[in-house]
Amino acid sequence: EVQLVESGGGLVQPGRSLRLSCAASGFTFDDFAMHWVRQVPGKGLEWVSGISWNSGNTDYADSVKGRFSISRDNAKNSLYLQMNSLRAEDTALYYCAKTLEGTYLSDAFDIWGQGTMVTVSS
Amino acid sequence: EIVLTQSPGTLSLSPGERATLSCRASQSVSSSYLAWYQQKPGQAPRLLIYGASSRATGIPDRFSGSGSGTDFTLTISRLEPEDFAVYYCQHYGSSPSLTFGGGTKVEIK
Repeated sequence: EVQLVESGGGLVQPGRSLRLSCAASGFTFDDFAMHWVRQVPGKGLEWVSGISWNSGNTDYADSVKGRFSISRDNAKNSLYLQMNSLRAEDTALYYCAKTLEGTYLSDAFDIWGQGTMVTVSS
Repeated sequence: EIVLTQSPGTLSLSPGERATLSCRASQSVSSSYLAWYQQKPGQAPRLLIYGASSRATGIPDRFSGSGSGTDFTLTISRLEPEDFAVYYCQHYGSSPSLTFGGGTKVEIK
């Protein structure tokens, strides 16, 4: 079964850091670009960041650029999101998502995890 | 940055009726890079349509996508009880243009 499982969310104070992880299984992880998408409960979807299959290309939404860093470890079938200088507006459910075809960084997302909640509050 | 505007915000329909959801882009986009997702409460989004009109694996044929340029449409030919959900369009032409529309909620009338 193709599966993505996020972890690492929690309550964190403004200005602090948090690292999210996404464990992939059921597919050849290093064939596919991967992304993070977030959603404030009750609101819409916001793309956060993406990384190509070989980590050669990464990209970020303007709202997180310079504060968040995406990475992957293909040997461990894992995707990460290092979040620094967190703000209250970063509070959201964070999903990892697999690209449909894999070759391109920018692609539709055919598999999503269930998300991990990040709450930034003092 | 391309902005996607979805309308209506809420669509109230009965099972068996036809649903027509709109997604308008702020500038012309390639239809190759337009997707639709369905999201039910407490669940992750599910890919329905990619490339504006191609159904994803396992998606029933009552779901169809169409459009080009700046105007795209998701049509559900006959609403089933499990189709009542929120639907999002997405443009994925080129980073950072990976944008989502604000969503359309399809609710039971």
